[in-house]
Amino acid sequence: TQLLEQSPQFLSIQEGENLTVYCNSSSVFSSLQWYRQEPGEGPVLLVTVVTGGEVKKLKRLTFQFGDARKDSSLHITAAQPGDTGLYLCAGPISGGSNYKLTFGKGTLLTVNP
Amino acid sequence: EAQVTQNPRYLITVTGKKLTVTCSQNMNHEYMSWYRQDPGLGLRQIYYSMNVEVTDKGDVPEGYKVSRKEKRNFPLILESPSPNQTSLYFCASSFSWASSSYNEQFFGPGTRLTVL
Repeated sequence: TQLLEQSPQFLSIQEGENLTVYCNSSSVFSSLQWYRQEPGEGPVLLVTVVTGGEVKKLKRLTFQFGDARKDSSLHITAAQPGDTGLYLCAGPISGGSNYKLTFGKGTLLTVNP
Repeated sequence: EAQVTQNPRYLITVTGKKLTVTCSQNMNHEYMSWYRQDPGLGLRQIYYSMNVEVTDKGDVPEGYKVSRKEKRNFPLILESPSPNQTSLYFCASSFSWASSSYNEQFFGPGTRLTVL
């Protein structure tokens, strides 16, 4: 069972367009993280959202955590070819002796010049 | 430079031949974990370690072993590799873990393993 569902799975757009990718769950998360992974490399953290309703901005990237802390979105304004990559959301699962991190399957973004 | 290193980066082996993928971090992180990444399945956690001598299973631990004898090292051992373990493997570390953790996971560069 996939705890974090990401959509869309693939996205191909032209430079300058705006886009939004989503990370949804039926479970409540204490926090969610967004990572970007480029080909041949490991994921790199973009942002962590902690508070329900929180909005964080990182240059042209805007991240939002849902009020109920079950979902998050990433909006990119005026996408550039350098934004190309796999975008992953991740959330912690802890309970008893479990301290796991679960990832969504990712959104593969291609920004064409 | 703060980093997570993995070796080897690429490995082609045959079924049943024991192998070890090493992972080392120089950030004095307590939490370390191993993931495998497969097309259509995403990143899945294999094992994790809260600290030295404390390890536990992730979501897909079958066929793998780990050890954490030192804080900086967290090797992944495949005692008898099989073709279904062909995958891209990532080691990651973070400062610690808390119920409301927002600690950044630092990932290594990955090890591409092919089991024939």
